[in-house]
Order: sequence, then structure tokens, then C-alpha cells
Amino acid sequence: LAKTTQPISMDSYEGQEVNITCSHNNIATNDYITWYQQFPSQGPRFIIQGYKTKVTNEVASLFIPADRKSSTLSLPRVSLSDTAVYYCLVGDMNYGGATNKLIFGTGTLLAVQP
Amino acid sequence: EAGVTQFPSHSVIEKGQTVTLRCDPISGHDNLYWYRRVMGKEIKFLLHFVKESKQDESGMPNNRFLAERTGGTYSTLKVQPAELEDSGVYFCASNPGLAGISSYNEQFFGPGTRLTVL
Repeated sequence: LAKTTQPISMDSYEGQEVNITCSHNNIATNDYITWYQQFPSQGPRFIIQGYKTKVTNEVASLFIPADRKSSTLSLPRVSLSDTAVYYCLVGDMNYGGATNKLIFGTGTLLAVQP
Repeated sequence: EAGVTQFPSHSVIEKGQTVTLRCDPISGHDNLYWYRRVMGKEIKFLLHFVKESKQDESGMPNNRFLAERTGGTYSTLKVQPAELEDSGVYFCASNPGLAGISSYNEQFFGPGTRLTVL
């Protein structure tokens, strides 16, 4: 699975938009880009996934440029409860579409302040 | 619908003892995964069950670790004998399998078991 690089930490204030960028220069054709969120004392939680261009759901948006070598997770109007570690992962589609093992990097610790 | 549950939430044992961690996946999920994070390190994959069969156990650190999933429902991860370096948080995750996946690479994680070996 492709290795990802993302900032170790970020600070923000309530109500701001936060963009976390992840680099994955060696992403393969079959790889999807997935973001997970982890709160203290909890397991990671799936947030969003995309292959190219832009994906939006009720939690976040994911922007992927044409070369797919990076991606940006955008969290609109963050609140204190968005303080968490955010992981960027890339994974391929082996096993006919069944999910595979996830490879986590260090993640980005987002600290939202009042 | 209940999520993935893990038991115990915390375990403190002495070096050389045996500990068994349990994971109950979401009902009907064929895929079950074990991960762990040791202090200061990243979350690492241990192994993957498809129903009761081990699909991938490439992440198991050594033969002191034994995972089972009898009947394809809950899974146990036994560490025997435990060593100091086994301390960390052990996560279990599950997903439905080929059918029923709304997003690729979406796994549903439990809260983890924090293991401390003294």
C-alpha cells in the first residue's frame, strides 16, 4: 500500500474551515484515498473516501487533484468536538473489491480551540 | 445496531502471564481484523479473518500471539506468554465482505483493549 505523509499536528479555532493535506506520491491506479478520524479512547472511524476529483458528505469534503498524488480533507466550521487525530490512507482493490488491511500513518492531530 | 465490542477494555498483567482479548464484530460481518498500537507507534495490522479462516496473518509479531475465530462469529487474541513490548492498545474491526460494502476500505472499529504488561 502507498505510503502517506501528512502534518503531525494542526491548530484551529471554532468556526473555521480546516484543510488537512496528505501526500501519496506513489499511489497506484487501483488505490482509493480514505480518511479516518480517531477520538481519544476510541477506535478509528471512517469519514470519507474518494478516487478522484471531489467527494462531499455530511461530515467533510475530499479534494483530489488529477494526478492523485495528494488529497485534502476539508472540515467546514470546526467545533471543539472535532478535536481528534485524522488519518489519510490509500488502499487498493484486491480480492475483487473486498476491503484489505489498512495501513495507518502517524495521522494529524487537530486541536480546535474556543 | 450494536457496533464492534471488545473485552476487556483494560487489562494489566505481569510479564509471562497469559491474556486473552475478545472481539465481537457487527453481526453478519464476514471480515474481522485485528490491529494494535504500541506506545508511540502507528496503528499496525495484525491479521484478517474471513469468516473462520485466516486470510492474512502477515502482521502477527511472533508465535506468542494466537488468534481464533471459531464459528466465524467472535474472535479471540491470546498472548502467551506476554512480554513488556506487547503493551499497547489492541483494536478489532469488521466489515461485511464483498457484498454490502458502501465504501471500499471502510472498516468499523471497536473501542480497543488497552493491555499493560508489567
